[in-house]
Amino acid sequence: EPEVTQTPSHQVTQMGQEVILRCVPISNHLYFYWYRQILGQKVEFLVSFYNNEISEKSEIFDDQFSVERPDGSNFTLKIRSTKLEDSAMYFCASMRRGPNTEAFFGQGTRLTVV
Amino acid sequence: AQKVTQAQTEISVVEKEDVTLDCVYETRDTTYYLFWYKQPPSGELVFLIRRNSFDEQNEISGRYSWNFQKSTSSFNFTITASQVVDSAVYFCALSEETSGSRLTFGEGTQLTVNP
Repeated sequence: EPEVTQTPSHQVTQMGQEVILRCVPISNHLYFYWYRQILGQKVEFLVSFYNNEISEKSEIFDDQFSVERPDGSNFTLKIRSTKLEDSAMYFCASMRRGPNTEAFFGQGTRLTVV
Repeated sequence: AQKVTQAQTEISVVEKEDVTLDCVYETRDTTYYLFWYKQPPSGELVFLIRRNSFDEQNEISGRYSWNFQKSTSSFNFTITASQVVDSAVYFCALSEETSGSRLTFGEGTQLTVNP
């Protein structure tokens, strides 16, 4: 069964460093997303990406964050100058079409900023 | 603005008991979609069900059933004859046709099934 793949599964970084979280969405999907879950809290939307551009972003997704689809398969989330409060689980998701389809989530990347 | 409320933070039951997880949503759209996801201790998000706003039929899948009532803006989830493996955090989520395809999640309900 096709699945969304995220790497790494766990990343530890020092405050102020840049990190890139990687995702390989399901190949025939058109919509891509990043969500964040701070430990013990709910899952929060960060950004959606369609047709090679950001289609929507939340207030959390400030200038510190950027997304890219550098080739036909990878979808990356870059966090510049990480802060302690960026520590969270980051989930990538993809949808085949749009709201009427299921969002498939990756296993998540646990980011720890020290 | 869309909002999902899961008022039950934690529920603890004994194996074989039935348990219902509540979900109440708010939306101004007439077309919207409701979801339930399971998050086991390993952390991944597992899709359970999707419902659109035009389909109020209740659904049963094995020990799982869902009760969608537009009149009360609720989409409740029942596990029959619970098992220890059902222990997880369960999230209800909503997406609106006019707000793009992003999911708004509730706070989640931690279900613990004791042997």
